Formats: sequence, structure tokens, C-alpha cells
Amino acid sequence: SYELTQPPSVSVSPGQTARITCSGDALPKQYAYWYQQKPGQAPVLVIYKDTERPSGIPERFSGSSSGTTVTLTISAVQAEDEADYYCQSADSSGTHLEFGGGTKLTVL
Amino acid sequence: QVQLQESGPGLVKPSQTLSLTCTVSGGSISSGSYYWSWIRQPAGKGLEWIGRIYTSGSTNYNPSLKSRVTISVDTSKNQFSLKLSSVTAADTAVYYCARTVLAAAGYYFDYWGQGTLVTVSS
Repeated sequence: SYELTQPPSVSVSPGQTARITCSGDALPKQYAYWYQQKPGQAPVLVIYKDTERPSGIPERFSGSSSGTTVTLTISAVQAEDEADYYCQSADSSGTHLEFGGGTKLTVL
Repeated sequence: QVQLQESGPGLVKPSQTLSLTCTVSGGSISSGSYYWSWIRQPAGKGLEWIGRIYTSGSTNYNPSLKSRVTISVDTSKNQFSLKLSSVTAADTAVYYCARTVLAAAGYYFDYWGQGTLVTVSS
């Protein structure tokens, strides 16, 4: 089955930049999407189609793509950004959807 | 503003069938080119896509669950449903329903329900 690989954890101090990567063989062909999930809450879409930001999402959230790796970048991290982040994409056929294992962002 | 709400039993016995319904409000389930998905999350673990349905009734399922999953839609009630058969403790999770958007290459989830915990236990 198709897999998306994320680091389990990333830690940054407030005001610093956090980068969370997601790797998958089909990412050159399929868009990636990023979700933020805080404890006890449903996930929230923060980036779609690799680089687009939904309305209402702060500008400090951005996405980029290079080959088989996509990256979620959070600039000037705030305490409220502490959460789990999941990438999501599809297999090469575009039919079956997959989530990465999730990355816990800790704001020190 | 679209809202989704999951409903169904919170406790299911092993080997039985888990049944959940998602009610969509704030818009017609048939309007726009949207799909409707089920996603689950065991406690302390990651998200797993279960499957999706279009209002025509066309479905796609996660290959790892395909033999046990059925997703259906009732446009007259603005609802879609999940059935997962032969459940075990490994199926214990929070189950989410979500509106699913077809992009140029891929699908994503723009609106989610709050989630409902289903426990499999005798």
C-alpha cells in the first residue's frame, strides 16, 4: 500500500520557523494537503494543493513541494500552533487516499 | 456554512457490524461536485481514510478495509452512512465524516464532523 512518511516530532521555540516534511513516491503526480489537529478536535485544513492557503488560515502557514517531498512551513511559530500535523495525498492512480503518520509540533 | 454530524452507537460487540450516519446541514448533499468520506482515528494514533461516496452512489474504499466496508447515501435525508462488518477491538476509534473535494490531482477534506467514539467490546 502507498505510504506517506513524516517525522514523528518537531520542536521549535516561539518566533522560530518550523518545517515539517512529508515524503511519498506519488507526490510528484498528486497534490498534498496539510491538516492541523489539536487535542480533542477534528482536523482543520491549513494547506491545499501543495501551496494554497484556505481563507482564515494565518499567512505564517505555507507549503512547498520538491520531487517526492512536500514541506509545511510555519513562520514565527506561536504557542497556539502546538498541535499534530498530518499530510494527506493520493496514490499514483489518484483513487486511494492516504495520510501521513502525523508530526507532533511542540512549541518550547 | 456546511456542518456535518456523526451519529450511531458508541459501543459495538466484537464480530458485529458498526453502523454510523453523517447528517449534512447548511447545504444539499447533492449540490456541487463533492464526495463524502469516512475517516477514523484510534486513540493516540493517526488518521485513516476509510472510503468515500459520490451522490450518484459511486464508491471507493481503502483497500485494507474494502472487504468489510459499505458506504451509502440517502440524498432525501441529506445523509450518508458507514457500515463496517466483523469488527474487532482494532476498530475502536473516533470516526469522522468529512466533505471531500476533488481537486485537479487528488482529493481533500474541507469540512469535518466533530467525530464520534466507537468502542468495540463485549
